[in-house]
Amino acid sequence: GIQVEQSPPDLILQEGANSTLRCNFSDSVNNLQWFHQNPWGQLINLFYIPSGTKQNGRLSATTVATERYSLLYISSSQTTDSGVYFCAVHLSGTYKYIFGTGTRLKVLA
Amino acid sequence: SQTIHQWPATLVQPVGSPLSLECTVEGTSNPNLYWYRQAAGRGLQLLFYSVGIGQISSEVPQNLSASRPQDRQFILSSKKLLLSDSGFYLCAWSARGSSSYNEQFFGPGTRLTVL
Repeated sequence: GIQVEQSPPDLILQEGANSTLRCNFSDSVNNLQWFHQNPWGQLINLFYIPSGTKQNGRLSATTVATERYSLLYISSSQTTDSGVYFCAVHLSGTYKYIFGTGTRLKVLA
Repeated sequence: SQTIHQWPATLVQPVGSPLSLECTVEGTSNPNLYWYRQAAGRGLQLLFYSVGIGQISSEVPQNLSASRPQDRQFILSSKKLLLSDSGFYLCAWSARGSSSYNEQFFGPGTRLTVL
């Protein structure tokens, strides 16, 4: 089956720093989403990005479907950015979503 | 706007007891519905999904079952809980139809501890 791997698995940043999170997938997908799981467990939708680049405030994402990867950029990080970031891919021809392994981010004040 | 509810928020159950977790969606019709489980410190595992009333697809053989008695209601059940059933259970929905509506939205989750 399809493999969805995220890197790095863990990341510690000082407040104000920038970071790039990566999501690699091993097969063709219909679309890709990025989520932030906050300390209470809630999954918050960040981007729905099957291809191209999108920006929302300090966050932006780029998906290059032909090369099977997506990047999430966090600029000027804040302590509220802490949590786990997941990418999830929708498998072509199915109703299924496969989640990546996650990146645990901690932003220090 | 669409809203997804899950209850209970937390649950502590003894081994061997039954389980029923409920998920309901408001503000949309004919959604695709999903149950995921997240073990502590791990990623999300798809357990079941449904594309219509009474239709259930199971992804992982296990001690759990799912039902969809109404269009916007999805229930996760077990007859006898095991210790390994502990985890964080998340319900999600996505709009059915065009591939452009494949974005998935999650409920607040139920944290289950089996003792």
